[in-house]
Amino acid sequence: AQKVTQAQTEISVVEKEDVTLDCVYETRDTTYYLFWYKQPPSGELVFLIRRNSFDEQNEISGRYSWNFQKSTSSFNFTITASQVVDSAVYFCALSPLIQGAQKLVFGQGTRLTINP
Amino acid sequence: DGGITQSPKYLFRKEGQNVTLSCEQNLNHDAMYWYRQDPGQGLRLIYYSQIVNDFQKGDIAEGYSVSREKKESFPLTVTSAQKNPTAFYLCASSIGVWETQYFGPGTRLLVL
Repeated sequence: AQKVTQAQTEISVVEKEDVTLDCVYETRDTTYYLFWYKQPPSGELVFLIRRNSFDEQNEISGRYSWNFQKSTSSFNFTITASQVVDSAVYFCALSPLIQGAQKLVFGQGTRLTINP
Repeated sequence: DGGITQSPKYLFRKEGQNVTLSCEQNLNHDAMYWYRQDPGQGLRLIYYSQIVNDFQKGDIAEGYSVSREKKESFPLTVTSAQKNPTAFYLCASSIGVWETQYFGPGTRLLVL
C-alpha cells in the first residue's frame, strides 16, 4: 500500500524564521515520484517540485530547499527566512507507477502560518 | 494564456439531483484527473483519463461519472448516488501519464 504521512498538522512561526515541513512515505515500488504542492487560501494547488526515486540529490530553489532521504523514506521541505506570503497548506504526494498511470497519493497537509 | 479552468466556482445541489462540474484545459495535455478534497484532508482521486474516449476509476469513484469526448474537456457528474457530495473538487492535467499534474482553481460543491 502507498501512504504519505505529514505528521505536522499546523505550524506557526514568526516571519524570517526558518521552517521545515516533514514528509514520510511508504511504498514497495522501486520507481516512484515525490511531489510538494502549495495550496494558498484561493484553493488552487501550485506545483513546487518533483523528485524521482533515483535522484537523492538535495535541491534548492531560492528560499526553498528539499531533502530527499531514501534510507528514511523522507522528503522534507525547508523554507528559509519565511515570509507572510508563504502562509498556505502544503501537501506532500507520492506517485507510484500503477498500471501505466500516475496516481498521486497525498498526505493530509501541513497548514503553515507565517506571522508578521 | 494557457491553463485549466473549472466552473462554476460554487455549486449547490439539491437532494436527488445530478450536477456536472466543468473542467477545460488548453495546455494540449493528454491526461486529466479529478480529485476530491474534504476539510483538513488531502486529495483523493475520483477518476482519471489518459487519452480521449478512455477513463479509469480512481479510489473513490462510487457516485460519480465522467466522460472524455474531447481532449480539452473532462466533465465530472456528481450523481444522486453520492450521499456525501459536499467537498472541494479539483481537476488536474498532465502532458503524459508520467508527467507533473497541474491543477485548476477548483469547484466547491454544497448540498442544500
